Amino acid sequence: EVQLVESGGGLVQPGRSLKLSCAASGFTFSDYYMAWVRQAPTKGLEWVASISYDGGSTYYRDSVKGRFTISRDNAKSSLYLQMDSLRSEDTATYYCTTTSLQFDYWGQGVMVTVSS
Amino acid sequence: DTVLTQSPALAVSPGERVTISCRASESVSTLMHWYQQKPGQQPKLLIYKASNLASGVPARFSGSGSGTDFTFTIDPVEADDIATYYCHQSWNSPDTFGAGTKLELK
Repeated sequence: EVQLVESGGGLVQPGRSLKLSCAASGFTFSDYYMAWVRQAPTKGLEWVASISYDGGSTYYRDSVKGRFTISRDNAKSSLYLQMDSLRSEDTATYYCTTTSLQFDYWGQGVMVTVSS
Repeated sequence: DTVLTQSPALAVSPGERVTISCRASESVSTLMHWYQQKPGQQPKLLIYKASNLASGVPARFSGSGSGTDFTFTIDPVEADDIATYYCHQSWNSPDTFGAGTKLELK
């Protein structure tokens, strides 16, 4: 059974940093592109970033470019999202997902609140 | 960015057929996918590449369309299908989602 378990969320002040982690199991992690998708409270879904099988290619939405860094450790079957210079508009639940052309499997999500 | 437009809400009764539309602001070929999200839960993939049923998803769910106009159908609706449904395109960068269609009971 595919499992994706996010961790690392919490309350952080604007301008500060936070690192999210996602532990994957139940599938061959290195066979999948991975992504982060977020959902602001009571809002819709928004793609944030994606990473290729070996981490050699990364992709970001414009609003997080230069502030967020997606990475992975295939030996640990883990995905990460380093979030720097956080803004109030980054407040959301962040989901770890497998991705081919669609987002096949989703974690339960982790909440990030950016507020002073 | 490609804008996906969905109707905001639909009211249905169990046993009925319901169709949700998603219109794209530009062509997305057949790279349109549909997800179900229940309150407090993560989204779940139901349909990928316009018309393909995801693994383990009941055949009551179906999808069709290409280009800019897509439909998602539940036939028949069950009480457990009450949720918000999102369309998602991955043809144009960046990936975008519709605002969601909330299915409610009549």
